[in-house]
Amino acid sequence: QVQLQQWGAGLLKPSETLSLTCAVYGGSFSNYYWTWIRQSPGKGLEWIAEINDRGSTNYNPSLKSRISTSVDTSKNQFSLKLTSVTAADTAIYYCARVAEERASGNYLPYWGQGTLVTVSS
Amino acid sequence: EIVLTQSPGTLSLSPGERATLSCRASHSVNNKYLAWYQQKPGQAPRLLMYGASTRATGIPDRFSGSGSGTDFTLTISRLEPEDFAVYYCQQYGPSPKTFGQGTKVEIK
Repeated sequence: QVQLQQWGAGLLKPSETLSLTCAVYGGSFSNYYWTWIRQSPGKGLEWIAEINDRGSTNYNPSLKSRISTSVDTSKNQFSLKLTSVTAADTAIYYCARVAEERASGNYLPYWGQGTLVTVSS
Repeated sequence: EIVLTQSPGTLSLSPGERATLSCRASHSVNNKYLAWYQQKPGQAPRLLMYGASTRATGIPDRFSGSGSGTDFTLTISRLEPEDFAVYYCQQYGPSPKTFGQGTKVEIK
């Protein structure tokens, strides 16, 4: 059974960097794309980025200039950084895994519990 | 970017009634790369359907999906108390992957 557990700072000031990490338990870490999604009252669910175990990435163009992602295959973890945050980045951030091996941007049967990130001065 | 528009915004129904949710895409979603999720308060979205019409593991058969191109539908044949939630469609074709804004199914 695949489980994703995520963590990171929940309160940021404008211009700071958001940093989240997601650990994967059960199943294989290799050959899958690992995804970040956020949910805010204003914009609903928004697909942010994905990365596979080899470091191949796809980013949402609207956020691309501020995003970086990484993987640590030794720990079965992947991470998201979002720089220069503003109030508009306030959201619940989810990590997730695609369904099929080697399938970029596939549908998402496995989700983390979500992390509320609030940006406020 | 493919924009997904869901309707109605809110559906007020009674247990046992049929629910029909619509998801319309601004451009054709190739290969039926369309998924549906259910979300309850305080929880992550839960995958219901993929490929427009294939139920995910463990999803009861009162849930069905249909459609192709730009028009997709999620139908719940007889609402159970646990089905009252918010439903989202997602296209996982061209990047960026996008979601609809959601349909809330509430108890009448």
